[in-house]
Amino acid sequence: DVKVTQSSRYLVKRTGEKVFLECVQDMDHENMFWYRQDPGLGLRLIYFSYDVKMKEKGDIPEGYSVSREKKERFSLILESASTNQTSMYLCASTRPGAAHEQYFGPGTRLTVT
Amino acid sequence: DQQVKQNSPSLSVQEGRISILNCDYTNSMFDYFLWYKKYPAEGPTFLISISSIKDKNEDGRFTVFLNKSAKHLSLHIVPSQPGDSAVYFCAAIYPGGSEKLVFGKGTKLTVNP
Repeated sequence: DVKVTQSSRYLVKRTGEKVFLECVQDMDHENMFWYRQDPGLGLRLIYFSYDVKMKEKGDIPEGYSVSREKKERFSLILESASTNQTSMYLCASTRPGAAHEQYFGPGTRLTVT
Repeated sequence: DQQVKQNSPSLSVQEGRISILNCDYTNSMFDYFLWYKKYPAEGPTFLISISSIKDKNEDGRFTVFLNKSAKHLSLHIVPSQPGDSAVYFCAAIYPGGSEKLVFGKGTKLTVNP
C-alpha cells in the first residue's frame, strides 16, 4: 500500500520562526510536490521536485523554500513564518509521466500566531 | 488567472439522488483531467480521470463527462450516499509533458440521509 507521510498533523508557530515541514514517501517516486489548501482557493502548488537536489517553483513560492537531499524526503521551509502562511499543507508524490497518479499525504495544519 | 474553475462552492443532495459537480477550464491545451475527493483532515484521494480523446469515463457509481468544445467537464455520482460527503476537486495536467496539476477551488458536497 502506497504511503506518503507528513511529520506533523498540527503545528502552531509564532511569527518570525523558521518552520520545517517534512514529507516522506515509500514508493520510490521521483516527483514530489508541496501544496497549500485554503478555503475558497483550492490547492495551490508551492514547489515541486523531480529528482534529488532538483526543485522548481510552483505558483506561489514566495516565502517558502524546499530541500530534497534524499529521494524519499521533501522538506518545505518557511524561512520566517507569517500569519498569512496559516494553512493546510499537503505533500504529494508520483512517478515520472504519471501526474495523474499523485498520492497525497494527510496534510499538516499550520497555524502561525 | 484561474485556469480550472469550479463555480459552485457547495452542493447539497438527498441520499439516492444524482450529484452533479461541474468544472470549466480555459486552457485548450489541457488533455487530461482528474477528480479528487477530500475528507476533512485527510489528503485528497484520486477518484476518476478522463483523457481529452474521450467524452465519458465510468467507474461504478462515478461517471465523468467531458465536453471539449465547451471546455466543460462534470462528475456524476449515482446514487449518492452519505459517505460521498466531501470536497471534490477538479484538476488538469499542465500541457507540454509537465508533471504538474492545476486544481479548481473545490466543491463541497453534502449528501443528506
